[in-house]
Amino acid sequence: SYVLTQPPSVSVAPGETARVTCGGHDIGSKSVHWYQQKPGQAPLLVIYYDSDRPSGIPERFSGANSGNTATLTITRVEAGDEADFYCQVWDSNIDPPNVVFGGGTKLTVL
Amino acid sequence: EVQLVESGGGSVQPGGSLRLSCAASGFTFRSYAMSWVRQAPGKGLEWVSSLSDSSTITYYADSVKGRFTISRDNSRNKLSLQMNSLTVEDTAVYYCAKGRIEVADPADFDYWGQGTLVTVSS
Repeated sequence: SYVLTQPPSVSVAPGETARVTCGGHDIGSKSVHWYQQKPGQAPLLVIYYDSDRPSGIPERFSGANSGNTATLTITRVEAGDEADFYCQVWDSNIDPPNVVFGGGTKLTVL
Repeated sequence: EVQLVESGGGSVQPGGSLRLSCAASGFTFRSYAMSWVRQAPGKGLEWVSSLSDSSTITYYADSVKGRFTISRDNSRNKLSLQMNSLTVEDTAVYYCAKGRIEVADPADFDYWGQGTLVTVSS
């Protein structure tokens, strides 16, 4: 089955830029989606189709995907951005297709 | 406003069964694939199962295949998950999630419920 690998944690100071990576074999050929989950809350879609932002998501959130790595970038990080972030793909290369989540990355704002 | 409200969680012994429900409102339920995603305590997200808009296609994670059954009632805007032969590894918060694109694969999820806790313990 397809595996998505994320670093367990990323730390960044307020105002700096955070980058969360998501590794997978030829992930650049797939569409990657990103979710933010704050403690005690349901996940929130923040990026879909590699780099599109749903309505209401700040422009500070952006995404890129190429080769074997997808990246979620958060600029001008705020204390309120502290959360767990998960990447996700739809693996249609198998039958039947299925949904795959990365293991999650805890973003800490120092 | 899109709302997804899960119910049916609780405590059950290993080997037991439980049926979860998700009441949907605020969108044309019959036009979207729906899914269940779970999260064990302190762990990450794990996809469980998805169902196409017209119930013609079901998808299951290997970990639940043969034990769980997903279904929907488009006339009542309700998604269900019948869980049988439960094990302690099934202990988790179970989220109901809506597919983002109308009449499409359940490739990503734009709305989630608040979840319902299932605890499997002797």
